[in-house]
Amino acid sequence: AQSVTQLDSQVPVFEEAPVELRCNYSSSVSVYLFWYVQYPNQGLQLLLKYLSGSTLVKGINGFEAEFNKSQTSFHLRKPSVHISDTAEYFCAVSGRYQGGKLIFGQGTELSVKP
Amino acid sequence: DVKVTQSSRYLVKRTGEKVFLECVQDMDHENMFWYRQDPGLGLRLIYFSYDVKMKEKGDIPEGYSVSREKKERFSLILESASTNQTSMYLCASRAGIGTRSSYEQYFGPGTRLTVT
Repeated sequence: AQSVTQLDSQVPVFEEAPVELRCNYSSSVSVYLFWYVQYPNQGLQLLLKYLSGSTLVKGINGFEAEFNKSQTSFHLRKPSVHISDTAEYFCAVSGRYQGGKLIFGQGTELSVKP
Repeated sequence: DVKVTQSSRYLVKRTGEKVFLECVQDMDHENMFWYRQDPGLGLRLIYFSYDVKMKEKGDIPEGYSVSREKKERFSLILESASTNQTSMYLCASRAGIGTRSSYEQYFGPGTRLTVT
């Protein structure tokens, strides 16, 4: 079985500052990893995913994440945030060969202030 | 672009009512999912379906049932709504494993259900 822990429930940050949203997972099998974003009153949209290959993954809107197998982490980063990045961010894991079921973290609310 | 639509954005029902939440996807995806989203708990899987007329329980199936009579449509049913089922409900779809799957789930906009 897999589990996901997002270490911060809320992250306030000023516009143009860098941000890191932390995600740790546990799994006894190899995994696929995802970050989703949810803007107010909307569904979830995929930001980026790690399936295999390079551990540094680039996504939409200038976000990137690094898969660290030894630390079982998949932290999300952006070097300079905008007001429009204010949203809730979810980290998710799927065990390989387990039918594509996603296990989600609790979510991190990113609040970008001017 | 994949499109997943849900029949209602907001719904208010009374305790004991039977509630139907409908989800339709237009990308011929084999897999469909129903989640509920609650503050501080993230998304939790209620039921999923790998194919027409096929369903499997997720992590929190109690109080819910599902129906998938056509490939594009996946319905969530609350047989007798209760106040603890007040939540945001999200539907998602995904291509089948081993096909053109990108392992990405595509989500609908959600239905915010209030049971009074």
